[in-house]
Amino acid sequence: NAGVTQTPKFRVLKTGQSMTLLCAQDMNHEYMYWYRQDPGMGLRLIHYSVGEGTTAKGEVPDGYNVSRLKKQNFLLGLESAAPSQTSVYFCASSYSGLAGETDTQYFGPGTRLTVL
Amino acid sequence: QKEVEQDPGPLSVPEGAIVSLNCTYSNSAFQYFMWYRQYSRKGPELLMYTYSSGNKEDGRFTAQVDKSSKYISLFIRDSQPSDSATYLCAMRAIIQGAQKLVFGQGTRLTINP
Repeated sequence: NAGVTQTPKFRVLKTGQSMTLLCAQDMNHEYMYWYRQDPGMGLRLIHYSVGEGTTAKGEVPDGYNVSRLKKQNFLLGLESAAPSQTSVYFCASSYSGLAGETDTQYFGPGTRLTVL
Repeated sequence: QKEVEQDPGPLSVPEGAIVSLNCTYSNSAFQYFMWYRQYSRKGPELLMYTYSSGNKEDGRFTAQVDKSSKYISLFIRDSQPSDSATYLCAMRAIIQGAQKLVFGQGTRLTINP
């Protein structure tokens, strides 16, 4: 049981390049999330998904796209990277996201992205 | 004004000290309160989970919620160097069937041997 895994762990991009971050979970969770973490800002929700084939915008969705084609995977795409997207990106998953301690979010180890 | 305010620290205390970490919030709809611990270059992991006002104890950790004051705390007794990490508070509300989860900025804690 690997929990939540993220690929890649590190990446350096040039402005304007594109890339996709992959998140995978093996806990059969319905909900998946993408956050970014910046110094002094805490965790901010980018996009989330409440089930296979669904996606929704979070607090800071601009410049990102997501897809949830399979229940266990959640992809985060940057179409044209900007230096403001330099951050640590965390993926998380939870059972249902509505109530109760069982809806705890489990986080992946993060992807450190630098955009030059 | 941010919905959740947390002093970013850094906070440095000697081993064995009692540590108090705090968050305040402004949205009275928050019902679930959590503390996450995040070690350097790792993802956050859930440490404590409480619902409504009151105290919850788990080993050396005690989570306290005061909804009337919109204030939550995490106490660490007999602090150990292994407790050195960033601690994030998080709060959740269910609004019109949808979840709203907001994290604090995180407090960086160092326990000195």
